[in-house]
Amino acid sequence: DAKTTQPNSMESNEEEPVHLPCNHSTISGTDYIHWYRQLPSQGPEYVIHGLTSNVNNRMASLAIAEDRKSSTLILHRATLRDAAVYYCILLTEYFGNEKLTFGTGTRLTIIP
Amino acid sequence: GAVVSQHPSWVICKSGTSVKIECRSLDFQATTMFWYRQFPKQSLMLMATSNEGSKATYEQGVEKDKFLINHASLTLSTLTVTSAHPEDSSFYICSAREGARVTLHFGNGTRLTVT
Repeated sequence: DAKTTQPNSMESNEEEPVHLPCNHSTISGTDYIHWYRQLPSQGPEYVIHGLTSNVNNRMASLAIAEDRKSSTLILHRATLRDAAVYYCILLTEYFGNEKLTFGTGTRLTIIP
Repeated sequence: GAVVSQHPSWVICKSGTSVKIECRSLDFQATTMFWYRQFPKQSLMLMATSNEGSKATYEQGVEKDKFLINHASLTLSTLTVTSAHPEDSSFYICSAREGARVTLHFGNGTRLTVT
């Protein structure tokens, strides 16, 4: 499995933007970059995913480096509800039973 | 959006008993479901991949006879922890893929405590 590297933890002030980095230097051409987050005592939830171009949705934006070896999840205006562990994961599009393997993720703390 | 319901949300059982956890896809058909286990302060660890109508594929180190998985329909997979022991106490989470879509939908997890 292609691996990702994320900082163990980050802090951000409430109502400020947050940039969560992820390195994936061994990414292959068919790997999508996924971000999930896990709030305390809950299952993970989907945040966003992309292949090559930057992506935006109601939750966040995903900025993908031109060489695709790194990406950044952007929360434009962090709230206390965004405190969670954020996982950056690679998943190929052409799967049958392709599994989603979680790394250690980044624990995001929001400071009021 | 797609919803995965997991039941129960928590369970306490005595050592030696068996516990069944259900995972249902409420508004979509899931040919593949995944079962994860998560210990405190750790990441999710994949236990097995469950395919409708066939045997589950277990990850290395996961005892198939202890963690029985049944995926009898396109909307239901169950995980049975047989002869549970205190070391099986953990947070169990299921996820389901909607057809060939890239994203996964997760249940809210089941916290199992074995006394």
